[in-house]
Amino acid sequence: KAGVTQTPRYLIKTRGQQVTLSCSPISGHRSVSWYQQTPGQGLQFLFEYFSETQRNKGNFPGRFSGRQFSNSRSEMNVSTLELGDSALYLCASSHGTGDQPQHFGDGTRLSIL
Amino acid sequence: QKEVEQNSGPLSVPEGAIASLNCTYSDRGSQSFFWYRQYSGKSPELIMFIYSNGDKEDGRFTAQLNKASQYVSLLIRDSQPSDSATYLCAVNLGTGNQFYFGTGTSLTVIP
Repeated sequence: KAGVTQTPRYLIKTRGQQVTLSCSPISGHRSVSWYQQTPGQGLQFLFEYFSETQRNKGNFPGRFSGRQFSNSRSEMNVSTLELGDSALYLCASSHGTGDQPQHFGDGTRLSIL
Repeated sequence: QKEVEQNSGPLSVPEGAIASLNCTYSDRGSQSFFWYRQYSGKSPELIMFIYSNGDKEDGRFTAQLNKASQYVSLLIRDSQPSDSATYLCAVNLGTGNQFYFGTGTSLTVIP
């Protein structure tokens, strides 16, 4: 069974640009969550999508947005990039029932110059 | 406020010893509890999960849950240098599927 696939693995952008990250969940998983991870900050929850609807949202500015498609694939978009957005962005999928674990992709490492 | 707290460490144990990692959580409504291992530069990988009070064993790993005291722990028996990583504790309220992660405990197993 294929795992969670995130693309691209690495991105280099400059301030002010925007970026779109993609996540394909494990087959059968309907929930996709996005996290930002920076050194010393741990995993910061961005949002969760379930059946194409945003079900939970963390405390990030509106520059961070996402969506989910009918096949459960999800994209995350960050607009007007700032230096502080440099981080590892992780996607995790699960069945979405709350009692099943999330499984993480390898992440997209975003660097802002 | 929903919080998950872990001792950031670093925790160092000699090879072959038992490593004990602890996690406390604030929301008594938490239903599901998960332990992840994260190697430097890699993404978190699931070790095990527990729902009921008591112990759950999987190979060298044992998860312990005490809902009355609101803590969950992970024991690693016969620790190996390959166990050196950051261990993340996560809880889920069981509704809405939002996971709350601790900041992780760094474990070093000394050969």
